[in-house]
Amino acid sequence: IAGITQAPTSQILAAGRRMTLRCTQDMRHNAMYWYRQDLGLGLRLIHYSNTAGTTGKGEVPDGYSVSRANTDDFPLTLASAVPSQTSVYFCASSSLAGGINEQFFGPGTRLTVL
Amino acid sequence: GQNIDQPTEMTATEGAIVQINCTYQTSGFNGLFWYQQHAGEAPTFLSYNVLDGLEEKGRFSSFLSRSKGYSYLLLKELQMKDSASYLCAVSDSNYQLIWGAGTKLIIKP
Repeated sequence: IAGITQAPTSQILAAGRRMTLRCTQDMRHNAMYWYRQDLGLGLRLIHYSNTAGTTGKGEVPDGYSVSRANTDDFPLTLASAVPSQTSVYFCASSSLAGGINEQFFGPGTRLTVL
Repeated sequence: GQNIDQPTEMTATEGAIVQINCTYQTSGFNGLFWYQQHAGEAPTFLSYNVLDGLEEKGRFSSFLSRSKGYSYLLLKELQMKDSASYLCAVSDSNYQLIWGAGTKLIIKP
């Protein structure tokens, strides 16, 4: 692995189903982030983690949860998907927490909720 | 509220120069980023400015004026591969990034 990987690449999901988006980085970065990107809007932060074992809420956390059991993995869970969660989801990481460090992005997961 | 404004779309000619502007109103300021995002791909880092002035990096330069809440990204000697969206993001008082919606740059031969 080199950088950040995300899985799945794309997914079509029925409303009400539970879904976990996976994110793994091999750069030993402390901080990790989940964003959603919708047409006409900027990237919006869902949740973040400044270091393993800690998480925080971003701008649009409702309906999503995260965990950070170790440095490398930062899964995002939709407990009960709704159509408004249709979006492209990007995972990112930075060497240190705090918005003055370059963020490296994964390739994204395109999620459609019907 | 916090706000980042960028033009939605710009068109330029191969070999020319283009300037993409970004204005911001945020609670606090800890630097401004520019990222490039090709269609269907992830954003990639271009530049970071925290002090006023111009930072040059090859064909790309980024300018910041903190007093005016203004930045621009200057792309010289445009190439077809520069066709992409350019995202402006500001680190606010909580060190969280506030992102603009991006400027789609179309390069014509």
